[in-house]
Amino acid sequence: GAGVSQTPSNKVTEKGKYVELRCDPISGHTALYWYRQSLGQGPEFLIYFQGTGAADDSGLPNDRFFAVRPEGSVSTLKIQRTERGDSAVYLCASSYGGSSTDTQYFGPGTRLTVL
Amino acid sequence: AQKITQTQPGMFVQEKEAVTLDCTYDTSDQSYGLFWYKQPSSGEMIFLIYQGSYDEQNATEGRYSLNFQKARKSANLVISASQLGDSAMYFCAMRSGTGGFKTIFGAGTRLFVKA
Repeated sequence: GAGVSQTPSNKVTEKGKYVELRCDPISGHTALYWYRQSLGQGPEFLIYFQGTGAADDSGLPNDRFFAVRPEGSVSTLKIQRTERGDSAVYLCASSYGGSSTDTQYFGPGTRLTVL
Repeated sequence: AQKITQTQPGMFVQEKEAVTLDCTYDTSDQSYGLFWYKQPSSGEMIFLIYQGSYDEQNATEGRYSLNFQKARKSANLVISASQLGDSAMYFCAMRSGTGGFKTIFGAGTRLFVKA
């Protein structure tokens, strides 16, 4: 079946602009996760959805970052007033359930560059 | 605090030989999951192997096995019969319930397989 997809694959924006990154999880997966990966580092957790609700948003760095998953499937990560430090690869993952034993499957990522 | 430590920034292995990538973790939870992912230069995170904290046997998946030593809090990845295509970044990760369901990743180990 189809894996996790993310659009766009690359996004270049200017400092201060608003961006939206989209994630389509694997069909039937109830849990969805967003991570940020800076160059040379491991992914950093941002937010976890179980169904439509954000079960854990403790990784969002500040209030410029927001994510939604209105119908329990597609999710959008929104970043307001982008800063150069937001430049990174944003990874989305999904899993069948939300327990600690459920394997997360990752999408290809969106590379965000803030000029 | 939850933490994953990968102490080997880079490793070299001769093709067809076995290699061990180290991972230690820190958690006060009794129930947790440990994961290894491969990230080739293309950027996508590929799930390799999972070990549950209550699993008594070490996990194996083809050429991958996980050397789980619970008392030492280590979860080393062993790759047997290395192939050139194994050259990539490898990340160890952990997820537990009281960690707020977030998954924590190590800094990664870059593996180079020599012909």
